[in-house]
Amino acid sequence: QQQVKQSPQSLIVQKGGISIINCAYENTAFDYFPWYQQFPGKGPALLIAIRPDVSEKKEGRFTISFNKSAKQFSLHIMDSQPGDSATYFCAASNNNDMRFGAGTRLTVKP
Amino acid sequence: DAGVIQSPRHEVTEMGQEVTLRCKPISGHDYLFWYRQTMMRGLELLIYFNNNVPIDDSGMPEDRFSAKMPNASFSTLKIQPSEPRDSAVYFCASSFNGDPRRRQYFGPGTRLTVT
Repeated sequence: QQQVKQSPQSLIVQKGGISIINCAYENTAFDYFPWYQQFPGKGPALLIAIRPDVSEKKEGRFTISFNKSAKQFSLHIMDSQPGDSATYFCAASNNNDMRFGAGTRLTVKP
Repeated sequence: DAGVIQSPRHEVTEMGQEVTLRCKPISGHDYLFWYRQTMMRGLELLIYFNNNVPIDDSGMPEDRFSAKMPNASFSTLKIQPSEPRDSAVYFCASSFNGDPRRRQYFGPGTRLTVT
C-alpha cells in the first residue's frame, strides 16, 4: 500500500529554472514531512523537512510548501543547477515510522 | 563516525541460494531500518527495529525474508531461498530517538542480483 504518492516520476528542467515535485498523503497521523535527496550509487540523505504547523519552510534554494487541509506538500527548487540532478523522495513520518514516495528523478540541463 | 556500514556492496547469486546482507548502524542510534529500492516500487520499508526489537515487519514481502538484530551494533537481512525478483538495492538506515528532525542516516546500499 502506497501511503505517500509522489509526482512526477521524472522531471527535466533547464539550468536556472524552477523544479517542482508534488506529494500527497492519506494518513492524518503523519506529523513530519521530510525530503531526501539521492545521488547515483549513494543512499538517500535528508535535504529539508517541515512540520504541519507551518505552511512553508525555506532553506537556501529549497522550499517546502505544505497544505494540511489538502494533505499535500511540494518541494520547489529555485534556480535549479546541474548539481541538483538527483532522485528526490518525499516522506511522511509518525514518530520513527517513515514512509517514502516513489521518487522523482530530476535532470537539470546546462 | 564512519556512518552506516553495509556489506557486501554488491552480491550476485543464483536463484535458490541463501543471501545474507549485513548492517552496522551509527553508534548510539537506537532505530534501525531496512529498505528495498527498485525502479518499479521505489523505496520500500521492509522492517525496523527499536533497541534491537523488531517493531514493524509488515513490509517484509514473504517468509523467505527474515531480519535479526542481535545487538545494538549489528543487523542482518536474510533471503532464503533467493529469487530473481529479489534483485534490488537494499539499504540500511539508522536514527536516534530524540532527534527533532527524525533524520535517518542511510548506508551506501547492497546491490543484489539474483540470476
